[in-house]
Amino acid sequence: EAGVVQSPRYKIIEKKQPVAFWCNPISGHNTLYWYRQNLGQGPELLIRYENEEAVDDSQLPKDRFSAERLKGVDSTLKIQPAELGDSAVYLCASSLTLLGARAFEAFFGQGTRLTVV
Amino acid sequence: AQKITQTQPGMFVQEKEAVTLDCTYDTSDQSYGLFWYKQPSSGEMIFLIYQGSYDEQNATEGRYSLNFQKARKSANLVISASQLGDSAMYFCARVGGGTSYGKLTFGQGTILTVHP
Repeated sequence: EAGVVQSPRYKIIEKKQPVAFWCNPISGHNTLYWYRQNLGQGPELLIRYENEEAVDDSQLPKDRFSAERLKGVDSTLKIQPAELGDSAVYLCASSLTLLGARAFEAFFGQGTRLTVV
Repeated sequence: AQKITQTQPGMFVQEKEAVTLDCTYDTSDQSYGLFWYKQPSSGEMIFLIYQGSYDEQNATEGRYSLNFQKARKSANLVISASQLGDSAMYFCARVGGGTSYGKLTFGQGTILTVHP
């Protein structure tokens, strides 16, 4: 079974430019997460989708960040315009949200390492 | 905010010895789950072990076990018989109910180095 696929793996852009990341979750997983991980720190949630609906976007900087999940499957995360402080690894994860044991176990992609210069 | 705390920025262990990585958490939820993930230098997050708040027994997965002390709100990871390949960053995470239903919150991580 294919895991969570993210692209690109690496991206270097100049500040003020736009950038987009793509995520294909595990087939059948209804929950999709975007996390940002700064160097040496734990991932921080940006947005969580249940199917097509964004159920938690409280930590998404909405002035420059946007996300969408088309048909409840693939998702894109966009930054426009990028700032130097946006340099980080952006992780996508998916889970099959069920009641009971190991509910919400998230499977992660390899991440996109963004460098803003 | 319901916080996850990992107090050990770095840990060192000799190959074949056991090591314990600490994790404490805040929560007001009755039902929640605790996870440990491993992140090698390549960057992917690898699931290691899960403990549900209502599970009466400590979780075990091969060489990994979780020392769950609910009253103390701690969920320490124990790695037995450490291997060189265990060198990585380790994250404790919690998912809760209530207002944080479905939200996976991570600690700051502990870097584990296994010496030969």
